Amino acid sequence: DAGITQSPRHKVTETGTPVTLRCHQTENHRYMYWYRQDPGHGLRLIHYSYGVKDTDKGEVSDGYSVSRSKTEDFLLTLESATSSQTSVYFCAISLSPARGAFSDEQFFGPGTRLTVL
Amino acid sequence: GENVEQHPSTLSVQEGDSAVIKCTYSDSASNYFPWYKQELGKGPQLIIDIRSNVGEKKDQRIAVTLNKTAKHFSLHITETQPEDSAVYFCAASIFGGKLIFGQGTELSVKP
Repeated sequence: DAGITQSPRHKVTETGTPVTLRCHQTENHRYMYWYRQDPGHGLRLIHYSYGVKDTDKGEVSDGYSVSRSKTEDFLLTLESATSSQTSVYFCAISLSPARGAFSDEQFFGPGTRLTVL
Repeated sequence: GENVEQHPSTLSVQEGDSAVIKCTYSDSASNYFPWYKQELGKGPQLIIDIRSNVGEKKDQRIAVTLNKTAKHFSLHITETQPEDSAVYFCAASIFGGKLIFGQGTELSVKP
């Protein structure tokens, strides 16, 4: 599982509240990703990071922000949650050691199921 | 941008039969094509991948083929077993890791 954990694993919140999801990895890989998974859409990239404080948008970034203040943690924030953000959120890493070559393979965490009422 | 279409959305086979899942992509610059297996309540698991300089890759009972001219790639599972039952996703990317996923195929292997 490439040492990836996500927290919380389940969360129920109300519309308009802020929510932060955490992805933690233990192997110091540079590249980390946040995806959301919805029925009929597969997985869609929200944001990704290629190093501390280096982030970029994916295909469905509206309404989300991210931060990466240290290599091992990648945070996804919903500033004001909406019902359309009810989804399962997955974090992933690419094998990308600090002094090694980047590798295309991505490995996923166990996911966070978020429900916005 | 890249778009990936996956078919069929559901597939039911008898144990021991073969299963084939097909994907097409739109961006001819895509050069990396992984396949993931997702079991209920778990994250996607990488099972096989292929790069654009290779036409076919095999790992035991699973194989992937790539046709760059037609821009499609397929997953082949032989001698299916009940534990192969899961949702399978294809994806495509240009170097840099921004994967674009297909919609998924729910495979059911009946004993």
